[in-house]
Amino acid sequence: GAGVSQTPSNKVTEKGKYVELRCDPISGHTALYWYRQSLGQGPEFLIYFQGTGAADDSGLPNDRFFAVRPEGSVSTLKIQRTERGDSAVYLCASSTGVRSPLHFGNGTRLTVT
Amino acid sequence: AQTVTQSQPEMSVQEAETVTLSCTYDTSESDYYLFWYKQPPSRQMILVIRQEAYKQQNATENRFSVNFQKAAKSFSLKISDSQLGDAAMYFCAYRQPQGGSEKLVFGKGTKLTVNP
Repeated sequence: GAGVSQTPSNKVTEKGKYVELRCDPISGHTALYWYRQSLGQGPEFLIYFQGTGAADDSGLPNDRFFAVRPEGSVSTLKIQRTERGDSAVYLCASSTGVRSPLHFGNGTRLTVT
Repeated sequence: AQTVTQSQPEMSVQEAETVTLSCTYDTSESDYYLFWYKQPPSRQMILVIRQEAYKQQNATENRFSVNFQKAAKSFSLKISDSQLGDAAMYFCAYRQPQGGSEKLVFGKGTKLTVNP
């Protein structure tokens, strides 16, 4: 079946612009995670959704970052007033529950010029 | 907070040989999961193997096995009969199945090169 889908695959934007990154989880997966992976680092947790609600947003670095999952399926990560330091690969993952493995998408590479 | 440490930024192995990647972690919990993920240039994180902390038996998946030492908080990955397709970044990760988040905490990764 289809895996986790992330769009766009690559995004180049200018400093100060607004961007939206989309994640389509595997059908039926109630848990959805966003991670950020900077060059040469492991993924760092941003936010976790259980259904429509953000159960843990402790990883969001500041109030420029926001994520939604209005119908409990597709999620959008929104970044306002982008900065060059926001350049990274943004990974999305989904799972069926607490003790189930996470399935990752191919990520979106964001470059802020 | 839980932390995961991978002390080997890079490792190399000859094709068909065996290599071991190291990982240590820090936690005060007794119930948790440990994982090894592989990340090829496609960027997708692929689950290689997982271990439940309450299981004493080391997990095995074909050519991949782990050495789980709970008291020492060590979780190494052994790759036997290495293949060219094993070349990738390998990340060790920790997950606590309660507490409201169940998020994965990753190490910084080890880049594995397989030489023909």
